[in-house]
Amino acid sequence: QLQLQESGPGLVKPSETLSLTCTVSGASINSFYWTWIRQPPGKGLEWIAFIHTSGNTKYNPSLRGRVTISVDTSNSHFSLKLSSVTAADTGIYYCAAVGLPQGYWFDPWGQGTLITVSS
Amino acid sequence: DIQMTQSPSSLSASVGDRVTITCRASQSIATFLSWYQQKQGKAPKLLIYSASTLQSGVSSRFSGSGSGTHFTLTISSLQPEDFATYHCQQGYDIPLTFGQGTNLEIK
Repeated sequence: QLQLQESGPGLVKPSETLSLTCTVSGASINSFYWTWIRQPPGKGLEWIAFIHTSGNTKYNPSLRGRVTISVDTSNSHFSLKLSSVTAADTGIYYCAAVGLPQGYWFDPWGQGTLITVSS
Repeated sequence: DIQMTQSPSSLSASVGDRVTITCRASQSIATFLSWYQQKQGKAPKLLIYSASTLQSGVSSRFSGSGSGTHFTLTISSLQPEDFATYHCQQGYDIPLTFGQGTNLEIK
């Protein structure tokens, strides 16, 4: 059974770079597209980016080039870096597998990791 | 960006009720629409993809329909475990976008 687990620092200072990792188990990381989604406190969901091991990546333009997604096939994990963070980047960050075809959908999700941006 | 608008934003209902949540897209997305259930403090869970395909393991109480810009999620007979927030998501174009969520509460 495919499972995902996020890991991250919990607290990040403003202007610094947030780094998150999602560890994949129960299936080959080469089998899917992988994605990051976030949810500010009390708000809706925002898609951030997705990646395939072929190198195909897509980003949400709203994050204005601050985001980099990467995949490490040898260690079965994928990662997210978000630079120049502000308080607006506070929230729960989820990783998920991307379902295809018939559009993009997300299943399963990791449990999420809370990231707080504060000095 | 394709804007997704859910209605209502919140809904009170009773166990056994039939409930329908609507999601509208700002432009046609064919049937590239998914629905998720999110319980308090938990990650979202996929219920339906391709507008009407029930994800494996999801109760048949849930059904989805629609195409183009208008979609619905129906719960045929509410159970206590169904009280949660529901999100729609378009998978047609980048950036992938979600509705604002519908909070389903117990009456």
